[in-house]
Amino acid sequence: GQNIDQPTEMTATEGAIVQINCTYQTSGFNGLFWYQQHAGEAPTFLSYNVLDGLEEKGRFSSFLSRSKGYSYLLLKELQMKDSASYLCAVRDRARGFKTIFGAGTRLFVKA
Amino acid sequence: GEEVAQTPKHLVRGEGQKAKLYCAPIKGHSYVFWYQQVLKNEFKFLISFQNENVFDETGMPKERFSAKCLPNSPCSLEIQATKLEDSAVYFCASSDTGGPLNTEAFFGQGTRLTVV
Repeated sequence: GQNIDQPTEMTATEGAIVQINCTYQTSGFNGLFWYQQHAGEAPTFLSYNVLDGLEEKGRFSSFLSRSKGYSYLLLKELQMKDSASYLCAVRDRARGFKTIFGAGTRLFVKA
Repeated sequence: GEEVAQTPKHLVRGEGQKAKLYCAPIKGHSYVFWYQQVLKNEFKFLISFQNENVFDETGMPKERFSAKCLPNSPCSLEIQATKLEDSAVYFCASSDTGGPLNTEAFFGQGTRLTVV
């Protein structure tokens, strides 16, 4: 089976830093994705990790530890427009490289 | 095209009616994925295609759901005899590879299906 767990909701203040965690269990790990989805819109790609470590892209960074089945998305200098859902997704080569999504974390950024 | 185009944007069907959704992948992309997004942002994988061939259909409820990707036509997802629980947003995504080199899938805007 494949389980992806992430918090349901988080709240943070404008200008602050927030870390969204994701844990997963998979039989054939082949990459982890983070997507951002604003309400009523399509998800947009944020990051991809397949090796352990930190990938940085502007205000967003994503970390992966394959041995722990753990990733996090780090958002710095939060802006109001960062209020959205953040979806952790894992690709499994044991399942035809299918990408399975977690339930998402709703982030609320307050002034 | 340069984006994944899904039609219609909204679809309302009475219980028991048929629903058909369309997806035109990005030109040059050979992989197409269908996802069903229900409450709380949970995505459920339905089916994927490599060109016109089914790549993975382990997520499809086979009794009422079917999908096709024919050459020179948009891909389609059809639901026969819709039920209330089929109400969801259906997303289509495409990518140029489906295997290890695939680092990004591009999503369409989705079709919101409401079954009443």
